[in-house]
Amino acid sequence: TAGITQAPTSQILAAGRSMTLRCTQDMRHNAMYWYRQDLGLGLRLIHYSNTAGTTGKGEVPDGYSVSRANTDDFPLTLASAVPSQTSVYFCASSDSTSGGTGELFFGEGSRLTVL
Amino acid sequence: GQNIDQPTEMTATEGAIVQINCTYQTSGFNGLFWYQQHAGEAPTFLSYNVLDGLEEKGRFSSFLSRSKGYSYLLLKELQMKDSASYLCAALDSNYQLIWGAGTKLIIKP
Repeated sequence: TAGITQAPTSQILAAGRSMTLRCTQDMRHNAMYWYRQDLGLGLRLIHYSNTAGTTGKGEVPDGYSVSRANTDDFPLTLASAVPSQTSVYFCASSDSTSGGTGELFFGEGSRLTVL
Repeated sequence: GQNIDQPTEMTATEGAIVQINCTYQTSGFNGLFWYQQHAGEAPTFLSYNVLDGLEEKGRFSSFLSRSKGYSYLLLKELQMKDSASYLCAALDSNYQLIWGAGTKLIIKP
């Protein structure tokens, strides 16, 4: 069973370039999330989507954009990468009903280095 | 502001018991999660508490005191494979997860 698939698993990117991190889930979960994880900090929410066609900003949305054209896919785009966006990015999904989040299922992560 | 505090690192011996504490301050509260994360891997769900008390699940137990803003994860009969980071996360009144930085647990033979 695939669960959540992220691509690429690792990428080195020149500052100023654009990049899209892909995320696909096959669990038919309605809610999806993008987090970044940096050493010494907790997971920080970048953007989220409660259902297909809707997205929302998390704690650290600046410099990132997302779209949710269908239930399965939730790509994260960096329009013009900066070194502070060097991080490990996790996509997650949950089968949340209105008013709550259930257990989160995470992808394996995408390690991005911006030089 | 909202905050989660947990120790940065703990060391324990194989076969022993360890308790990882977590205190939280959130705007409202809708539950407390624990996740396990092995180095270089994704976090995986361990437990969810919303009512006061102890929830036991095999070798792992999680405790919650809402009045004290406190939770702990108890790991019994430690195995080497339990070496990982343990993430505490609280769900606030807007159902947003507030994450701690994680506790790195080192198991020694």
